[in-house]
Order: sequence, then structure tokens, then C-alpha cells
Amino acid sequence: AQTVTQSQPEMSVQEAETVTLSCTYDTSESDYYLFWYKQPPSRQMILVIRQEAYKQQNATENRFSVNFQKAAKSFSLKISDSQLGDAAMYFCAYKGRRDDKIIFGKGTRLHILP
Amino acid sequence: AAGVIQSPRHLIKEKRETATLKCYPIPRHDTVYWYQQGPGQDPQFLISFYEKMQSDKGSIPDRFSAQQFSDYHSELNMSSLELGDSALYFCASSPNVGRLTPYNEQFFGPGTRLTVL
Repeated sequence: AQTVTQSQPEMSVQEAETVTLSCTYDTSESDYYLFWYKQPPSRQMILVIRQEAYKQQNATENRFSVNFQKAAKSFSLKISDSQLGDAAMYFCAYKGRRDDKIIFGKGTRLHILP
Repeated sequence: AAGVIQSPRHLIKEKRETATLKCYPIPRHDTVYWYQQGPGQDPQFLISFYEKMQSDKGSIPDRFSAQQFSDYHSELNMSSLELGDSALYFCASSPNVGRLTPYNEQFFGPGTRLTVL
């Protein structure tokens, strides 16, 4: 069975600084997708970034980028120039290519210090 | 742009009562997914439907049932409610771009917050 592990329950970063959220996963599949979702206090699930396992190039979306290490099964999220609006719970997630279900990690709560 | 609509947004029920949650997918989306997120927990996949047929099943209790209708909206029916069913229930939908295409993004609705007293 696939698992997603986030070892940092909470993190804090100073506004305008850079922060990295860690995630590891376990799977025997070769074709899958990895995601980072943001859940602000409104509880809306917002897709931040997506990575296809077959792509070696790390995905980037504006201030958000990932470090995807397939062999190590590691998938970290880097947030540059942190802003107050980035404060939220961040979930790392996995989806097998042919699966419907998304498997989420336990989440990392990110605090932004002004 | 149109988003996934869930109703009601909040629901309060007593133990042993029945609840029905509704999900209206984004237009032209033919697949819906249901997730349950307990307090302080990560979302857990319950069930999914594609073209009105059950597609995948997760950790959905036998007390729960769901279906997708001809207009692609979906309903999650929950009977004999328990205190532990109190949670945020998300519906997500994905577009009709073929089941074997590389990726069908799941667009999440705002959720229905169910409180069982």
C-alpha cells in the first residue's frame, strides 16, 4: 500500500524568507503523481503544485517549487519570499496513475511570522 | 469559472439520524470523488463515480452509500450517524478527457461540515 509521510507537524518562517516542507512516500508503482495541497483556515483544498513521476524536471509555480528525488522517494516543497497569505496547512499527496484516490500525508501547518 | 458546488455547507444531525450530502460537479465533468476529513486529520478517500458507475472505493463505512445521477451530480447518504462521522466532507470532480489520459485533475468543492450531536 502507498503511504505519504510528513515529518514536520508545524513550521514557522519569517515573512519574505524561504521555507522547505518535507515529504516522503512509499510505493511500488512506477507511474504516479505527487501533489502539494494548501488548506487555509477556510478549509478549501487548493492545489499548489503537481509533479509527474516520469518527469525528471522539478515542477515550479511562481514562488513554489519542488525537489523531487524519485529514487529516494522524496518530494519537498520550497516556498520562496514567504507571504502572510501562505499561512495554512500543507498536505503532500500521492495518486497512482490509474487510481482515483488521492492519498494525503498528515499535513504540515505553516506559520508566517511578520 | 464555475466550481464544484456542495450542499448543504453545514449540517447538524443527532446520533442515529440520516444525512444526505449533495455534490454538483463542474459542467462537463463526469467523474466525482468523495473524501472525509475528520477534525485535525488528513482527507480520506471514500468513493468515486465515473459515468454514473462506481469507479473506486476506499474506507467508506457500510452505513454510507453514494450514487451519481444522469446529470452527473452525486449524493452521499449516511445512515445511523455516529459521533465519529463528524467531519468535513469534500466532493471533487474531474473533466471528461478520457480515462486513460495522463492526468485528470480533481477540483475540490468547499466541503460540507457535518456535526453529529
